[in-house]
Amino acid sequence: EAGVTQSPTHLIKTRGQQATLRCSPISGHTSVYWYQQALGLGLQFLLWYDEGEERNRGNFPPRFSGRQFPNYSSELNVNALELEDSALYLCASSLRATNQPQHFGDGTRLSIL
Amino acid sequence: QKEVEQDPGPLSVPEGAIVSLNCTYSNSAFQYFMWYRQYSRKGPELLMYTYSSGNKEDGRFTAQVDKSSKYISLFIRDSQPSDSATYLCAMSASGGTSYGKLTFGQGTILTVHP
Repeated sequence: EAGVTQSPTHLIKTRGQQATLRCSPISGHTSVYWYQQALGLGLQFLLWYDEGEERNRGNFPPRFSGRQFPNYSSELNVNALELEDSALYLCASSLRATNQPQHFGDGTRLSIL
Repeated sequence: QKEVEQDPGPLSVPEGAIVSLNCTYSNSAFQYFMWYRQYSRKGPELLMYTYSSGNKEDGRFTAQVDKSSKYISLFIRDSQPSDSATYLCAMSASGGTSYGKLTFGQGTILTVHP
C-alpha cells in the first residue's frame, strides 16, 4: 500500500513569492492534515481538510491556505513568503472518523532565500 | 508553559539496553496518545496509538499512559542501532479547537551504539 506522498521534495523561493505544496493521501483516507516542522519549534498543526472542507486551522496567518480536491489530494499555499517560513512541511492523512491515527509523508522542505 | 513537555535528550545507550522515553502534558482534555519515530530527512512514522489510560505492547515497544499524573511513556526493549532516531510524543483531544489537531512534544534524539 502506498503511503502519503508529497511533492516537491525541496522547494527554494525568495521572500515575497508564493509556494504551492502538494499531498496525496493513503488510498481510502479522506482527511488530510498539514503541519509545519521548523527548527527549534517542533511540529505545529496548520490545517485539516475533510471532504473538501477546511475543518480546523492552527495559529497561523491567513497567508497560509489550502484546499482539498474531489480525489482527496490537497494543496498548501503560502503567500508573501517570509524568511521564517523556512521549514519542513508535513502532510498526514487518516480515515474519516475523528481521532483516527494520522500517517505522515516525508515532507516538502521549503527554503526561503 | 508548553502543553506537552518532552526531554530533548540527546539520549545515548548501548545496544540491548532498555530505553525509557517520557512526556508530560498539562491539558486534561487529551484522550488519545501517540508515539512517532522520525529518521533524518523522513516524516514521522506512527509506532503506538493508545486511548485513555493503560498499557499497550507491540513487539519490543510498550506504551504507558497515566492520565491521573498526565504522564506517558514509551519503553523500547533490546534496543538496536536501527532504533536510532528522534522519538515524538503526540496527543489529541475531541471537539472544539482541538478537532483533528495533534499536539507534539519537542522530540527526544536517541542513539543506540553497537
